[in-house]
Amino acid sequence: EAAVTQSPRNKVAVTGGKVTLSCNQTNNHNNMYWYRQDTGHGLRLIHYSYGAGSTEKGDIPDGYKASRPSQENFSLILELATPSQTSVYFCASGGGGDAETLYFGSGTRLTVL
Amino acid sequence: GDQVEQSPSALSLHEGTDSALRCNFTTTMRSVQWFRQNSRGSLISLFYLASGTKENGRLKSAFDSKERRYSTLHIRDAQLEDSGTYFCAAEETGKLTFGDGTVLTVKP
Repeated sequence: EAAVTQSPRNKVAVTGGKVTLSCNQTNNHNNMYWYRQDTGHGLRLIHYSYGAGSTEKGDIPDGYKASRPSQENFSLILELATPSQTSVYFCASGGGGDAETLYFGSGTRLTVL
Repeated sequence: GDQVEQSPSALSLHEGTDSALRCNFTTTMRSVQWFRQNSRGSLISLFYLASGTKENGRLKSAFDSKERRYSTLHIRDAQLEDSGTYFCAAEETGKLTFGDGTVLTVKP
């Protein structure tokens, strides 16, 4: 069974502070993704990666950076957190190509005060 | 999202009944996935389809192979544990776009 682990599970940050959300996958998947989910809505893509060293902008990248230092790890960085970034963040991994079933982590609930 | 329209937004079923959820796409999509999100927020992949139909137990999904502009998820003999929010997500150019979900409540 594919395993995607996010940390922390919950985070409270102050406006203007730096926040780093971490994601680790043990499935040797090439592709990894960061989404945010706001109440009553589906997931929106922030950044994604095709492999170590690569990061690509998703649909809502403003205010976020991403880092993929290795096949296993993909981080989402908020350099200057704002209250509008309060949300639940999900990381996912996928094998790519025709078998691109996504496996999601359990989510990180971020509150920016 | 604007490209992926899910309906209905909410659905209430009695145990043992059947129903269907639908996703319409504003453009031709290469593939579609269906997910269920439970009350704890966990997202579980139900189906990945590049064409045709797939079935797993009481769930069956179809992706319009001709125009690739819609997909359906059929639930047969609904059970209490089927309750949750169902999302479809479609892929056009390597990125998945999610619909806003269908909140399904199954009642005794």
